[in-house]
Amino acid sequence: QVQLQESGPGLVKPSETLSLTCTVSGGSITSDYWSWIRQPPGKGLEWIGSIYYSGSTNYNPPLKSRVTMSVDTSKNHFSLKLSSVTAADTAVYYCARHHESTRYGWFDPWGQGTLVTVSS
Amino acid sequence: SSELTQDPAVSVALGQTVRITCQGDSLKKYYATWYQQKPGQAPVLVIYGQNDRPSGIPDRFSGSSSGNTASLTITGAQAEDEADYYCNSRDSSGNRVFGGGTKLAVL
Repeated sequence: QVQLQESGPGLVKPSETLSLTCTVSGGSITSDYWSWIRQPPGKGLEWIGSIYYSGSTNYNPPLKSRVTMSVDTSKNHFSLKLSSVTAADTAVYYCARHHESTRYGWFDPWGQGTLVTVSS
Repeated sequence: SSELTQDPAVSVALGQTVRITCQGDSLKKYYATWYQQKPGQAPVLVIYGQNDRPSGIPDRFSGSSSGNTASLTITGAQAEDEADYYCNSRDSSGNRVFGGGTKLAVL
């Protein structure tokens, strides 16, 4: 059974770069897509972007200029970098396996999430 | 702003049937996927595809679609179904987008 676990700093200073890693266990990262999703406190879910194990990416347009995703198949993990952060980037960040087919896609399973606070 | 619109809150009496809806133009072409999120927990997939449930999801959860509206129906709502529910699909550019979420209260 595939499980995902996010890791990274819980506090990032404004204007700096947020960096998170999602480690996949119980299965290989060399299948499907892998996504990052975030949720500001008390608010809804926002898809950040997805990466295929080959390295091809797809980012949410409002965040595209600040987002970089990468994958390391040797370590079975993928990563997120979000640059020039502000308080508006404070959120719980989730990673998830992402399946896509012709008419639908789904995120399953999800990591437990990690809270990242942007503050000086 | 989200291209998928959900009612912010819905309530249902214990044991009754409730429908949670999600509207958006992209739903004419793509199916919606539904997630349940309880406080302090990660979202959980409950419905995907035309009307598929992952293992472990009770069969009281079902999905349907008509025109630009997708629906999640809970038949015989239980107290443990009280949660936030999010729909997800593609937007007009093919990117993933979530609805704003519906808070379900089971009375």
